[in-house]
Amino acid sequence: DTGVSQNPRHKITKRGQNVTFRCDPISEHNRLYWYRQTLGQGPEFLTYFQNEAQLEKSRLLSDRFSAERPKGSFSTLEIQRTEQGDSAMYLCASSFSFGEQYFGPGTRLTVT
Amino acid sequence: KNEVEQSPQNLTAQEGEFITINCSYSVGISALHWLQQHPGGGIVSLFMLSSGKKKHGRLIATINIQEKHSSLHITASHPRDSAVYICAVLNTDKLIFGTGTRLQVFP
Repeated sequence: DTGVSQNPRHKITKRGQNVTFRCDPISEHNRLYWYRQTLGQGPEFLTYFQNEAQLEKSRLLSDRFSAERPKGSFSTLEIQRTEQGDSAMYLCASSFSFGEQYFGPGTRLTVT
Repeated sequence: KNEVEQSPQNLTAQEGEFITINCSYSVGISALHWLQQHPGGGIVSLFMLSSGKKKHGRLIATINIQEKHSSLHITASHPRDSAVYICAVLNTDKLIFGTGTRLQVFP
């Protein structure tokens, strides 16, 4: 078991472009979470999945953001028409049911 | 007011000192996590607890559910303990995070 992985680790994009991030959870974990962390702040919840079902979305997740977990394994987070305010670290975590969450290394997004 | 408050925000210590970081929360929770984040962003879970006390090596975490308060203690601190320590509470299936405590331990 290699833990939670995220790709890419860094992404620099121009304002207005679309970006997609991928998260591969620990294989037996049925829950997958996305969080966003801006500089000097704690992470903030964005959305989570139980298996392939997206159970909750934060008000932070505008309609430019979409997340999927098509087969209940890996997940993707897409941001359309990126804005400078989207610059942040995007963190993924997975857990088995209500158990301890294990975090990936994050994807750092810079929108220029 | 944030739902999860940590104190202090910044902490410096000499190697060997006993360190305490505090966390207070105002929402109902099913569990509380203490997390460690090193420069570069990676987050490691240190403890998940819902009552009492847990110990792992030089780290001790306690929680008082009635007072809605938790503490993280580091005994015999070491420069490699330098990191941001984040308290997060599990509330209706999602984590709500504090802003973190930046700890620097000097030799």
